[in-house]
Amino acid sequence: DTGVSQDPRHKITKRGQNVTFRCDPISEHNRLYWYRQTLGQGPEFLTYFQNEAQLEKSRLLSDRFSAERPKGSFSTLEIQRTEQGDSAMYLCASGAGLAYEQYFGPGTRLTVT
Amino acid sequence: AQSVTQLDSHVSVSEGTPVLLRCNYSSSYSPSLFWYVQHPNKGLQLLLKYTSAATLVKGINGFEAEFKKSETSFHLTKPSAHMSDAAEYFCVVSDADSGNTPLVFGKGTRLSVIA
Repeated sequence: DTGVSQDPRHKITKRGQNVTFRCDPISEHNRLYWYRQTLGQGPEFLTYFQNEAQLEKSRLLSDRFSAERPKGSFSTLEIQRTEQGDSAMYLCASGAGLAYEQYFGPGTRLTVT
Repeated sequence: AQSVTQLDSHVSVSEGTPVLLRCNYSSSYSPSLFWYVQHPNKGLQLLLKYTSAATLVKGINGFEAEFKKSETSFHLTKPSAHMSDAAEYFCVVSDADSGNTPLVFGKGTRLSVIA
């Protein structure tokens, strides 16, 4: 299967700890997005990369959040000093060229205790 | 700013009866519109998309949606519900002038199918 993959699928951490998630997009896709989904809500945009350049960040992305996409391949999303409000599903999506649709990975479910 | 409003948080239908999931959009630009489905413990899957071509769009698994600019609507329909259709459905809008923009999701409609 060559879809979008995310690791880990589940993460439980204590408040104040740092966590890092990884996303591997579909190999030929140059666009990569991170979204966050809380219970009962639709996904909300966090940030977007085109190749290795981070082109857009949402106001939801506080200074505790940082994302990278070295070499325009996989991406990491790090949350520092986690808070209980960070508990959510973190989704990664990728897209190719000028195509509008995005393909989503299975997500990483974060629980902050 | 773009937004979508899914008019029902939960829809329940009997197996074999038609499905209608309602969505209204707001966009300053020519929109691209999508429906995604999310089954429990599975990733979001694209059902269908509208990108300024034909206003009646056919998707996977027998679903279709009609873009109505005058009503700013993009309702999702299926003639006959199947048990496997039970899932969360999201109406999504994006800026049609650029394929690079993020997707804006509605809050979702949970579809239940009763045997």
